[in-house]
Amino acid sequence: RKEVEQDPGPFNVPEGATVAFNCTYSNSASQSFFWYRQDCRKEPKLLMSVYSSGNEDGRFTAQLNRASQYISLLIRDSKLSDSATYLCVVNTYNTDKLIFGTGTRLQVFP
Amino acid sequence: EPEVTQTPSHQVTQMGQEVILRCVPISNHLYFYWYRQILGQKVEFLVSFYNNEISEKSEIFDDQFSVERPDGSNFTLKIRSTKLEDSAMYFCASSRDRGSYEQYFGPGTRLTVT
Repeated sequence: RKEVEQDPGPFNVPEGATVAFNCTYSNSASQSFFWYRQDCRKEPKLLMSVYSSGNEDGRFTAQLNRASQYISLLIRDSKLSDSATYLCVVNTYNTDKLIFGTGTRLQVFP
Repeated sequence: EPEVTQTPSHQVTQMGQEVILRCVPISNHLYFYWYRQILGQKVEFLVSFYNNEISEKSEIFDDQFSVERPDGSNFTLKIRSTKLEDSAMYFCASSRDRGSYEQYFGPGTRLTVT
C-alpha cells in the first residue's frame, strides 16, 4: 500500500465551482500534514498545514480525520489561477522527511 | 519574503561526471533538505542536514551522494559519478525546525545526464 494516496485526476471544473480533493495515508504514526501546490515543472509551494481541528485560509479549507487516516482539501470559488497539481504531504513522528503523494491535477476552465 | 534559492537552474552533464548543486536556504532556518523528482513521478526525500551533519537519509542517498555546508549560507549536494537515472529535478528545502515544521522549497535544479 502506498504511503500517501491521491486520486491523480484530472479534475476539470469551471470558474466559480467548488472542488474537493481527498488523500489517505497508511502510517498511523504520521503527525504533520500539509497541502502543497505544484505548477508544471516548478517547485512545490506550501499551500497550508492541516490541523486536527480543521483549518481555513480564504477559499481553502483543509480537514484531517486521524481515525480514518484521511485528509481533504476544499477549494471554493475556483479561479483560473488555481489550476495546478495539489500534493498531499505527510511527516511521520520523529523523522525529518516529508512523504509526498503523487498529486491531484486540477484544471479550472473559463 | 525570504526564499530558498538554487543554482544552476539547469545542469547538463555526461554520465560518470561529478556535479555540485547549490542552494542558499532561508537565513534563519536550521534544517536543510534535498529532494528529487524524476519527470512524471512524485517528490522523493534524499537527505536532511542539521548542525553540520546528516540527520536522516533515504535509501536513494547512497555513497555517490554527499552534502556539505561549506560556509554560513550555502548548502550543496554533490553527485560523484552521475548515472542516467540521476536525471531529475533536485529541490532544496529548509525549515525552522525538523520535519514536522513547514518546509519551503527552492525553484529546483534540472539535472540532465547524457
